[in-house]
Amino acid sequence: DAGVIQSPRHEVTEMGQEVTLRCKPISGHNSLFWYRQTMMRGLELLIYFNNNVPIDDSGMPEDRFSAKMPNASFSTLKIQPSEPRDSAVYFCASSPGLAGVLQETQYFGPGTRLLVL
Amino acid sequence: AQSVAQPEDQVNVAEGNPLTVKCTYSVSGNPYLFWYVQYPNRGLQFLLKYITGDNLVKGSYGFEAEFNKSQTSFHLKKPSALVSDSALYFCAVRGVIGFQKLVFGTGTRLLVSP
Repeated sequence: DAGVIQSPRHEVTEMGQEVTLRCKPISGHNSLFWYRQTMMRGLELLIYFNNNVPIDDSGMPEDRFSAKMPNASFSTLKIQPSEPRDSAVYFCASSPGLAGVLQETQYFGPGTRLLVL
Repeated sequence: AQSVAQPEDQVNVAEGNPLTVKCTYSVSGNPYLFWYVQYPNRGLQFLLKYITGDNLVKGSYGFEAEFNKSQTSFHLKKPSALVSDSALYFCAVRGVIGFQKLVFGTGTRLLVSP
């Protein structure tokens, strides 16, 4: 089992540029989560999908952020335009059950370390 | 809304000694509680969870946690620490009612000295 796969692992970009982060969940998992981790704010849930449908995007900081899940094996998180305050580690996680099955364990990817200059 | 408090930014313990990483929570109704560990430059790894039943939960790598409803706590413990246990530990909680986010604490850094 390859686990959750994220790419790229590191991204350095300049303010104003578009950034796209990618995630491949564990095969067979029905729920996918995007998190952001910073020293100041800790680990924050940005959005989660169930069966490819966005269920809760209330954590998305602003309209510059968007996320898609076109199929069960792929999701993207896009920032356009990027700003220095978006610098963080972005994690993708997946879980095997439905979003309503609340005791399901989430499995995290290795993260994408984003630096916006 | 649910919340988690990890009162210690860092816990230092000597190898071979018992360790405790503290966690308290606030949630409406009953909780689902989780512990995750994060090693440098890695994603979070699941350690253990409390759903229902026995208050003492055993997890990976010899860790265990005790659910205490009256004190709203879920402290992580290990009888004998290893240097390799040094990492960042996160407690997380969600309520059992409806669709609720998994809320993470701010993390506690565990340093185990040889």
